[in-house]
Amino acid sequence: GESVGLHLPTLSVQEGDNSIINCAYSNSASDYFIWYKQESGKGPQFIIDIRSNMDKRQGQRVTVLLNKTVKHLSLQIAATQPGDSAVYFCAENLGNSWGKLQFGAGTQVVVTP
Amino acid sequence: DAMVIQNPRYQVTQFGKPVTLSCSQTLNHNVMYWYQQKSSQAPKLLFHYYDKDFNNEADTPDNFQSRRPNTSFCFLDIRSPGLGDAAMYLCATSRSGTRASNEQFFGPGTRLTVL
Repeated sequence: GESVGLHLPTLSVQEGDNSIINCAYSNSASDYFIWYKQESGKGPQFIIDIRSNMDKRQGQRVTVLLNKTVKHLSLQIAATQPGDSAVYFCAENLGNSWGKLQFGAGTQVVVTP
Repeated sequence: DAMVIQNPRYQVTQFGKPVTLSCSQTLNHNVMYWYQQKSSQAPKLLFHYYDKDFNNEADTPDNFQSRRPNTSFCFLDIRSPGLGDAAMYLCATSRSGTRASNEQFFGPGTRLTVL
């Protein structure tokens, strides 16, 4: 069968609170970053993206912050809901033309009532 | 709705028995990817097609092959599945070129079990 996987870092959040998920990326040449949400048994789903010429971008209930100096990316989820429970992956585009993404390790978000 | 479709959603095969997973897309994207994802891990890129050009990742085993007969379809062939190949296999697409977008659109995945 499938080999035992690693334990993902877990963020436990109370419903209604804000969540902050952090990600360190590896390549200073990366010019595009994206956050994906993956629910159990499903494929990754786009949440929000940001280009390297920006340091902040907002969507519906989500904000992505980019700090190129320390190669750090964060995803903020406002008023976390039970439906936000999932694994969240950051990914960086390594500056190539066809869109190869390097995924981070992932963070498991568990929303408690 | 435009989408990425993977069939089957669940596949069971025997050790050493060849298996083919399929992916189709209605997005008309020119780049298609295959990823392997094991439990609690990030997706790992196996290879991608840029139009008809096949690009293998350096660490993808020879046991994994791919075919893209046309823009819409892409297949993943596992010639002799081992127990370590049990995983979720994800297909993704993106648009490159004049109206490029780095965003990758993922299918729902095929969960492969090897007995």
